[in-house]
Amino acid sequence: NAGVTQTPKFRILKIGQSMTLQCTQDMNHNYMYWYRQDPGMGLKLIYYSVGAGITDKGEVPNGYNVSRSTTEDFPLRLELAAPSQTSVYFCASRVGETQYFGPGTRLLVL
Amino acid sequence: DAKTTQPPSMDCAEGRAANLPCNHSTISGNEYVYWYRQIHSQGPQYIIHGLKNNETNEMASLIITEDRKSSTLILPHATLRDTAVYYCIVRGNQGGKLIFGQGTELSVKP
Repeated sequence: NAGVTQTPKFRILKIGQSMTLQCTQDMNHNYMYWYRQDPGMGLKLIYYSVGAGITDKGEVPNGYNVSRSTTEDFPLRLELAAPSQTSVYFCASRVGETQYFGPGTRLLVL
Repeated sequence: DAKTTQPPSMDCAEGRAANLPCNHSTISGNEYVYWYRQIHSQGPQYIIHGLKNNETNEMASLIITEDRKSSTLILPHATLRDTAVYYCIVRGNQGGKLIFGQGTELSVKP
C-alpha cells in the first residue's frame, strides 16, 4: 500500500489564484481529514469527511472547499489564494483509532 | 473537546527513558487520550492511545492517572531518531477529529 499520498509537494501561488491540493489513500478508509500547519504551530483541522459524499467543516474552513466523490480521493480547493493561506497542508485518513498522515504540501502565497 | 497542556520542550539523553507529561484535566468519561509525534517536516505519526488503562506497544507506553486528568508517554530507550514534537490529544466527539495543541519538542542528545 502506498498509504496516503499528496500532490504537489510544493507550490507557489499568486494572490487571487486558485488551486486544488490532491489527496489519495489506498487503504479503503472512510474517514479523511485536511489539516494546515503554520510555522511553529500545531495542526488545525480544515475539513473532514466520514465517507463518500459526506463532508463537514473543521476549525478553520474559511477560504477552502472540499469534495468527496470517491472513497479514495479527498481534494482540497483554494478559490482565491491569500497570503494567510501560506502553510503546510496535511491530508490524513483514519481506521479505528489511528490516523495516517500524508507527507504534506507546502504552499506559499505571494 | 478537552484541552491538553504540555511542556514546550524537553531534553533526554540517548538510551535513557523519555517521560513526556500531559495534563487534560477537563477530559470527559468517553474521551480517549492519543499521542502522535511529528519528525521535522513530516506528517504526524500515530504512537499510542488509551482510555483509562495503561497501554504499551512496540513504540511506547502510556500511563494514565486514575482520575484521568493527566497522562505520561514513556519512550523506554530514547534514540536520536526519537527527536520530534510530541502531541498529546484528546479526541473530539465528531468524526474522530483530532485537536492538536503545540506539543512538546523532545530533543534526544548523545
